[in-house]
Amino acid sequence: KQEVTQIPAALSVPEGENLVLNCSFTDSAIYNLQWFRQDPGKGLTSLLLIQSSQREQTSGRLNASLDKSSGRSTLYIAASQPGDSATYLCAGNTDKLIFGTGTRLQVFP
Amino acid sequence: EPEVTQTPSHQVTQMGQEVILRCVPISNHLYFYWYRQILGQKVEFLVSFYNNEISEKSEIFDDQFSVERPDGSNFTLKIRSTKLEDSAMYFCASSSLLNTGELFFGEGSRLTVL
Repeated sequence: KQEVTQIPAALSVPEGENLVLNCSFTDSAIYNLQWFRQDPGKGLTSLLLIQSSQREQTSGRLNASLDKSSGRSTLYIAASQPGDSATYLCAGNTDKLIFGTGTRLQVFP
Repeated sequence: EPEVTQTPSHQVTQMGQEVILRCVPISNHLYFYWYRQILGQKVEFLVSFYNNEISEKSEIFDDQFSVERPDGSNFTLKIRSTKLEDSAMYFCASSSLLNTGELFFGEGSRLTVL
């Protein structure tokens, strides 16, 4: 059974810092891994999708990597801004998405 | 940009009442999903739907739940007799590809059962 874990659970940083959010999964037989952003009380916004055959994906200041053999993915946020404050969720796709508990990020000015 | 839309955004109901949550998936998508998130907990898979039938369902998706695609655009989740523990945010998602496709989620429907 797929288990997805995210660390840290919460992170508070000053504006401008580069960040790494971690995601680990137990079942390496994933089709892909997806990173989402969730603002309080809101829906899930897809940030990046990494297929199982890929090592990384980039979108703007975001870079996500995937290492299937070790069951890990990281989300790198460059030059963080207060607008990045949100909860970040990763989800491994075996034939459905299995979500982690998320990392709650606060970026202060 | 195409998006998944959900209604209502918030519904309050009495225990035992029937509730229908509605979703309009992205128009050219073929795979549809419902997930839920109880306050403070993980997002959990409920059911996947393709070609007018359920592809997979979780243990949560018991006989009180049903899904339907009544026409070419809507995808609904019905809870027949709501319980207190059904209070959650319910998310609809759609994808154009099976397994390898990116899932796009709606803004969610918050259900409060009193």
